[in-house]
Parts: sequence; structure tokens; C-alpha cells
Amino acid sequence: EDQVTQSPEALRLQEGESSSLNCSYTVSGLRGLFWYRQDPGKGPEFLFTLYSAGEEKEKERLKATLTKKESFLHITAPKPEDSATYLCAVRDYNAGNMLTFGGGTRLMVKP
Amino acid sequence: DVKVTQSSRYLVKRTGEKVFLECVQDMDHENMFWYRQDPGLGLRLIYFSYDVKMKEKGDIPEGYSVSREKKERFSLILESASTNQTSMYLCASSKTGGGAANVLTFGAGSRLTVL
Repeated sequence: EDQVTQSPEALRLQEGESSSLNCSYTVSGLRGLFWYRQDPGKGPEFLFTLYSAGEEKEKERLKATLTKKESFLHITAPKPEDSATYLCAVRDYNAGNMLTFGGGTRLMVKP
Repeated sequence: DVKVTQSSRYLVKRTGEKVFLECVQDMDHENMFWYRQDPGLGLRLIYFSYDVKMKEKGDIPEGYSVSREKKERFSLILESASTNQTSMYLCASSKTGGGAANVLTFGAGSRLTVL
């Protein structure tokens, strides 16, 4: 059974204080790892897809990396508008079109 | 620019009522999904559909049914609502195939409260 664990559950940062969010996963065959951002009262919004260990993707202050067991979402010099819940999900070769989501990390960036 | 539309943002129903949640996508996606999201439990898949009139159970299908009569529309039905079905319900869609097929596009969510 696929499993995705995100840590920490919540993270408070000061504006400009860089940090990383972790996503540990267990799958039989990784077909893709996904990061989403979710603002309060809204649906998740796609950020990145990573397919193989060593791959990296960047978007503004966010950088996602992937190893064979985990992914990190690095946030460099965050701003208050980066405050959101960040969700990680995996797609297994044996699971067709289904994704397994982690519980999310709630990020709060204070000015 | 809205691509996945959920008909109701907030609903309040009574125990035993039948509840319909509607979802429409305008991206010609083959796959559509219904998730529920609860604090501490993350997103859990209820049902998904990969084609018109086709459906597959997800992780938590008990107490729910779905209908997909047209490609763009996917409905979630609670035959007899119960208080433990109070939750945020999220609809999503995706294409079939490699690359972009991996990306789910979500609606804004429907927050259901069952009294």
C-alpha cells in the first residue's frame, strides 16, 4: 500500500527565513511525485511534478527535489503570501490514475 | 478562467437527506475524481471515473455513489447523509496518458455540514 507522510504538520517562519518541507513516501513503483499548494477555502493548485531521483524543479521562491525515498520543498526567503498548506502526492505504476496524498504541511509566514 | 466548477460551495443538510454534489469541467478531461478532505486525514479518494458511465471505487466509497452521464459532468451522491459525512468535498479532473495526465486540476471545493 502506498504511503505518504509529510512533516512538519505546521511550520511558522519569519519573512525571509528559509526552510524546507519534507515528504516521505513508500510506493512499489513511482510514476510521479506532485506538490500542490492549497489556500484556505480553496482547492489545491498544482505546483510541480517530479519523476525520478535527482530531479529538481523551481518556481519563484520554491524548489522541489526528489530522492528515492523523499521529496523536499525548499522555500527561500519566504513572503507572507507564501502562507498556505502544501500537499504532496504520489502516483504508483500499479495504481492507474489514482494519487495518494500526504496530510500536508501548513506554512505560516509572518511579516 | 475557471476550469473545474463545483455547483455548491456551502451546504447544510439534515441527517437522512439525499445530497447531490455536482462537478463540471471544461477541459475535455477523461478522468474525474471525488475526494474528501478532513483535518489530520488529508485527501482521501471516494470514487473516480475514467470515462462516461464508468466508475471505480476509491479508498472510502461506503455511503457514496457517483454518476457520470456526460464527459464533462461528475456527480457525487450521498443517499442518506450522516453526520460523519460532514467534510470538504473536492472534485478534480485529469487527462489520460503520460505527462499532463498526472496533473489533477481541482475545483474550489464544497463544504458540507450534516446536522
